[in-house]
Amino acid sequence: EDQVTQSPEALRLQEGESSSLNCSYTVSGLRGLFWYRQDPGKGPEFLFTLYSAGEEKEKERLKATLTKKESFLHITAPKPEDSATYLCAVQPYTSGTYKYIFGTGTRLKVLA
Amino acid sequence: DAGVIQSPRHEVTEMGQEVTLRCKPISGHDYLFWYRQTMMRGLELLIYFNNNVPIDDSGMPEDRFSAKMPNASFSTLKIQPSEPRDSAVYFCASSYSLQAETQYFGPGTRLLVL
Repeated sequence: EDQVTQSPEALRLQEGESSSLNCSYTVSGLRGLFWYRQDPGKGPEFLFTLYSAGEEKEKERLKATLTKKESFLHITAPKPEDSATYLCAVQPYTSGTYKYIFGTGTRLKVLA
Repeated sequence: DAGVIQSPRHEVTEMGQEVTLRCKPISGHDYLFWYRQTMMRGLELLIYFNNNVPIDDSGMPEDRFSAKMPNASFSTLKIQPSEPRDSAVYFCASSYSLQAETQYFGPGTRLLVL
């Protein structure tokens, strides 16, 4: 069964304290892996798409990496405005459908 | 573009009542997705459409849920009759590509069934 697991569930960091969020996945084949940011009361907002193992994408203080089993979202020198829930999703190769499977997210709190 | 538009933003209803959620996707997007988000289960795909045709409804929890897309600019998700366990935030999202692609989410409808 296709599955996505994110860890940790919640993370508190001091401003400037770098860390990584994990997204482990089990799929028969991977079309793509996506990272989203979700602020309270809002819909998820797209951050990155990764397609193949070894691929990396960067945006400001965020960097996403992908292996054959997991993806990491590295946050370098975070600021309080980086506080949000970070969601990982995969789109598996499944005949007849392009569905997305989301993890339950990591709630990040960055303290000033 | 205004982005994905959902209405209403909040809905409070009593058990047994019919609830209709509405979505207007981004113009030009061929795919429309309905999701449900709860604390316990996270974001779950309910159904998605391609060019107004339902493609995968395997996530629809039961027959009380139905979704339609009568044209490229409008979709509804209906719950009849509603139950307290349907309380959640319902998101609509749209995308424009057949390949693995980003989705653009609406602001969501927060549903509370008493």
